[in-house]
Amino acid sequence: AQTVTQSQPEMSVQEAETVTLSCTYDTSESDYYLFWYKQPPSRQMILVIRQEAYKQQNATENRFSVNFQKAAKSFSLKISDSQLGDAAMYFCALYNFNKFYFGSGTKLNVKP
Amino acid sequence: DGGITQSPKYLFRKEGQNVTLSCEQNLNHDAMYWYRQDPGQGLRLIYYSQIVNDFQKGDIAEGYSVSREKKESFPLTVTSAQKNPTAFYLCASTPPGPGQPQHFGDGTRLSIL
Repeated sequence: AQTVTQSQPEMSVQEAETVTLSCTYDTSESDYYLFWYKQPPSRQMILVIRQEAYKQQNATENRFSVNFQKAAKSFSLKISDSQLGDAAMYFCALYNFNKFYFGSGTKLNVKP
Repeated sequence: DGGITQSPKYLFRKEGQNVTLSCEQNLNHDAMYWYRQDPGQGLRLIYYSQIVNDFQKGDIAEGYSVSREKKESFPLTVTSAQKNPTAFYLCASTPPGPGQPQHFGDGTRLSIL
């Protein structure tokens, strides 16, 4: 079975500071893909970052980077220089066998 | 611009009534998906389709039905058998190739009158 767990229902960060969102997953496959999606109050799902499991190098997209630990099945998202516009729900997702498996989400609050 | 269009944005259903949520894409994607999102929860897969005239049940298919007669369209019917249909519904599609990210519509909010 494929599962994705986000153990932090809600987090807060001060503007311009750095925050890390946690995600662990379970799969018996060696070839899979991992994603972080952002869902602002508008409820539109926006891709933040994508990681291929066979690549050891951690993916980065501007202020967003991941710490991918394949052996530990961990895929955390680091947001640097947090901005007010980063406030949203963040979902971790696993892709395998034509299906996506989503975690329950972490609500990120950004304090001015 | 290419994208996924879901309609209507808000939908109300009476008890015992079937309703259909529309999902249209002009991205030329083969794979399409329907998700349900409840407050404070993640996305749960209802149905997905990899190709026209073929679809598979997801984790919570009971009380729902779909069709895929055209590549561009993947409508979801919420039947009267779905006892708790109030939720936010998201449609998504995926480009060809392994592990491509999903593109999402703006969603439909379904409520019971």
